Amino acid sequence: GIQVEQSPPDLILQEGANSTLRCNFSDSVNNLQWFHQNPWGQLINLFYIPSGTKQNGRLSATTVATERYSLLYISSSQTTDSGVYFCAVDLTGGGNKLTFGTGTQLKVEL
Amino acid sequence: SAVISQKPSRDICQRGTSLTIQCQVDSQVTMMFWYRQQPGQSLTLIATANQGSEATYESGFVIDKFPISRPNLTFSTLTVSNMSPEDSSIYLCSVEDKGNYEQYFGPGTRLTVT
Repeated sequence: GIQVEQSPPDLILQEGANSTLRCNFSDSVNNLQWFHQNPWGQLINLFYIPSGTKQNGRLSATTVATERYSLLYISSSQTTDSGVYFCAVDLTGGGNKLTFGTGTQLKVEL
Repeated sequence: SAVISQKPSRDICQRGTSLTIQCQVDSQVTMMFWYRQQPGQSLTLIATANQGSEATYESGFVIDKFPISRPNLTFSTLTVSNMSPEDSSIYLCSVEDKGNYEQYFGPGTRLTVT
C-alpha cells in the first residue's frame, strides 16, 4: 500500500521560532490534508491541499504532487502549536480513504 | 464544516465485554469513516460506512470484531466486541464534507480495556 513518511518525528522549538514539517508519499494522490492533533486528542483540520500553496495566518502549506511531497510551515510558533501534526493522503480513485503519515510531535517551549 | 459528536468520550471496560460508540453529525453526509489510533501511533482506517449498505472493512479488520451500523445519513455506531487490552485506543469517526473530499473528525472515544 501507499507509504506516508513524515519528518522530523520530533521537534522542540522556542516560542517565536519557525519550522518546516515534511510529508513524503510513495504514490499519486488526489487528496492531501494536514491535521493538528491537540493534547486532548482532537484532530483539527489545517489544510486541504492536493496541490499548490495555501496560507492561513501563521501557517502555510505547499504540495508538489509530481514530486510526491508536501511541506507545512509554521512561523512565529506559540505554545498552543504544540501537539502532533499529521498529513493524510488518499490514493487517486481510492474513495477518499485516508492513509495517515507517521506524524511529527511538536513541542513549543517558552 | 460539519459538527461531529461522539459518545462516550471515554470508557474503561473489562476484557471480554463489548462497547458501542456513537457518532452523530449535524448534517446529512453520504460517507462516514471509523479510525483507530493506538497509543502513541498514527490513525488507521477501520471501515467506511455508507447509509443503506454494508460497511466496507480494511485489511486486518473484520465485521465480527467491529460491527458497524449506519441507519441514516446523520448517525453511525461502531461496536468493539469481545475486547482485549490490545483494543485500548482512541476511536474516531469522520465524515466527508459535501462538495469536496475534505474530511472532518469527531472528538474521539478514548477506550481503555483492563
